[in-house]
Amino acid sequence: GAVVSQHPSWVICKSGTSVKIECRSLDFQATTMFWYRQFPKQSLMLMATSNEGSKATYEQGVEKDKFLINHASLTLSTLTVTSAHPEDSSFYICSASRDRDGQFFGPGTRLTVL
Amino acid sequence: SQQGEEDPQALSIQEGENATMNCSYKTSINNLQWYRQNSGRGLVHLILIRSNEREKHSGRLRVTLDTSKKSSSLLITASRAADTASYFCATDARNQGGKLIFGQGTELSVKP
Repeated sequence: GAVVSQHPSWVICKSGTSVKIECRSLDFQATTMFWYRQFPKQSLMLMATSNEGSKATYEQGVEKDKFLINHASLTLSTLTVTSAHPEDSSFYICSASRDRDGQFFGPGTRLTVL
Repeated sequence: SQQGEEDPQALSIQEGENATMNCSYKTSINNLQWYRQNSGRGLVHLILIRSNEREKHSGRLRVTLDTSKKSSSLLITASRAADTASYFCATDARNQGGKLIFGQGTELSVKP
């Protein structure tokens, strides 16, 4: 149990376009979902925390208007990178949590902005 | 900085040797977790140690936690080439709503 999926697994887009990444908890209801970004050869940096039905809480330095998070249900959260630029190219990873028994990570989405 | 520190940043050993990675953090924690990541892939959860635990074992993995020094170590015994990966510690800090703060990671290379 406790499987988290992400879609797409990779995406290439043109500069200026918007990209939506989905994170789903497949076999449990996630009260909280987290979004991380990882640049090559670096660690994961938490971008935001989202709870179902409420606005996401963004970490310092993360632009909420650029990285739109919607946690519409207990099994789905989406991250939309708006007006993407090459510097947004990164590996985006989500995780889902139920109660306080830890986070379950998705396989990640590699975004390349040309 | 949001992140804790890990050392070494990179470690290269021969198959059969032991690998030790260290992690330091800054705040009081509920637990500390270790993850593994193969290049370009997702995270694999290895082990979780709670703040009231001092040592934990799982197969060839041994994790210690010293809350007085705010540090943890991960020992991989009898390493294999397949252990080659990046290893990250992550802390679940108290009163932070379950957020995980990741260390900088150690890149382990095990040569056959």
